[in-house]
Amino acid sequence: EDQVTQSPEALRLQEGESSSLNCSYTVSGLRGLFWYRQDPGKGPEFLFTLYSAGEEKEKERLKATLTKKESFLHITAPKPEDSATYLCAVRDSGYALNFGKGTSLLVTP
Amino acid sequence: NAGVTQTPKFRVLKTGQSMTLLCAQDMNHEYMYWYRQDPGMGLRLIHYSVGEGTTAKGEVPDGYNVSRLKKQNFLLGLESAAPSQTSVYFCASSYSSQTSPHEQYFGPGTRLTVT
Repeated sequence: EDQVTQSPEALRLQEGESSSLNCSYTVSGLRGLFWYRQDPGKGPEFLFTLYSAGEEKEKERLKATLTKKESFLHITAPKPEDSATYLCAVRDSGYALNFGKGTSLLVTP
Repeated sequence: NAGVTQTPKFRVLKTGQSMTLLCAQDMNHEYMYWYRQDPGMGLRLIHYSVGEGTTAKGEVPDGYNVSRLKKQNFLLGLESAAPSQTSVYFCASSYSSQTSPHEQYFGPGTRLTVT
């Protein structure tokens, strides 16, 4: 059975303090790993898709990386508007995304 | 483009009542999905559809039914609501691909409370 574990559950950073969120997974036949951002009371917003180990993608202050067992979402010099819950999901040979429980990030001024 | 829209945004039901949640997408996506999100549980797939007229069960299908009569719409029905179905429901859609799975785009959610 596919499993996705995100850590830490919650993270508090000062503005400008860089850090990384972790997503470890066990899946037979990874077809894709997805990162989403979710603000309170809203639906998840797509950030990145990674398909194979060694792949990296960047968007503004965010950079996602992928190995055979885990993915990292690196946040460089975060701002308060980066505060949100970040969700990781994996796709195997089926149609569904298997989501982790998320990391709640709070960036304080 | 509106993307993925859901109606209603909020609903309170009494145990045993029925209701239908409507999802619409204007991106011409083949695939559509219904998830529920509960505190501490993450998003879980209820049902999905890979095309007009087709539906399939996800991880937590019991107590729900779905229909996909038109490509742009995906309906989620609760025939006899139970307190355990209190949750936030999200609809999503994506392109289809035999090689690289595409990202799913989510709607704003429906907050359902069953008393």
